[in-house]
Amino acid sequence: DGGITQSPKYLFRKEGQNVTLSCEQNLNHDAMYWYRQDPGQGLRLIYYSQIVNDFQKGDIAEGYSVSREKKESFPLTVTSAQKNPTAFYLCASSIGTGYNEQFFGPGTRLTVL
Amino acid sequence: DQQVKQNSPSLSVQEGRISILNCDYTNSMFDYFLWYKKYPAEGPTFLISISSIKDKNEDGRFTVFLNKSAKHLSLHIVPSQPGDSAVYFCAAYSGTYKYIFGTGTRLKVLA
Repeated sequence: DGGITQSPKYLFRKEGQNVTLSCEQNLNHDAMYWYRQDPGQGLRLIYYSQIVNDFQKGDIAEGYSVSREKKESFPLTVTSAQKNPTAFYLCASSIGTGYNEQFFGPGTRLTVL
Repeated sequence: DQQVKQNSPSLSVQEGRISILNCDYTNSMFDYFLWYKKYPAEGPTFLISISSIKDKNEDGRFTVFLNKSAKHLSLHIVPSQPGDSAVYFCAAYSGTYKYIFGTGTRLKVLA
């Protein structure tokens, strides 16, 4: 049963702490993405990766970091430098970048206390 | 600067009737478009796509229309069902490996 998993579903963090959001896919997709959704806004791209060991900044990368050591995994770290980290975070993957549908995970709701 | 706009934040439709969700874009270079459906606290689910070489694409109850000259696309759902109640996002492929998403339209189908 292929898909994308994100964990945890809900995450609470104290201000000033770094936190890592997990994203795993077993679809054998090369490309993976991280988006952020805020109320009343569309999905905004944080980082994307076209292939293992390569990743690129999206539109709102400041305060975030990623790694892509394995094809299946693309973890996102929300650092203390991110000024407004409370949001719903979505991970996605696609066969390749370009004219391909992106498949999304269930999301992680991060709340900074 | 919103390059992909969904100007109606919400829409209510009676069950069995047609739902029409609209999306406008500003960049004529966009040539591939997607529609996604999203339930609360879940990830978006891909619904249907359309390439700029077409003006219509159908998949069951879902049809997407593209008007390139007006830079406008619309998603038609016929007949609408209560399970269609969700937020719908359109997305445009901007090249450079990314999609640009609209802000979404919340559809409520009334039984």
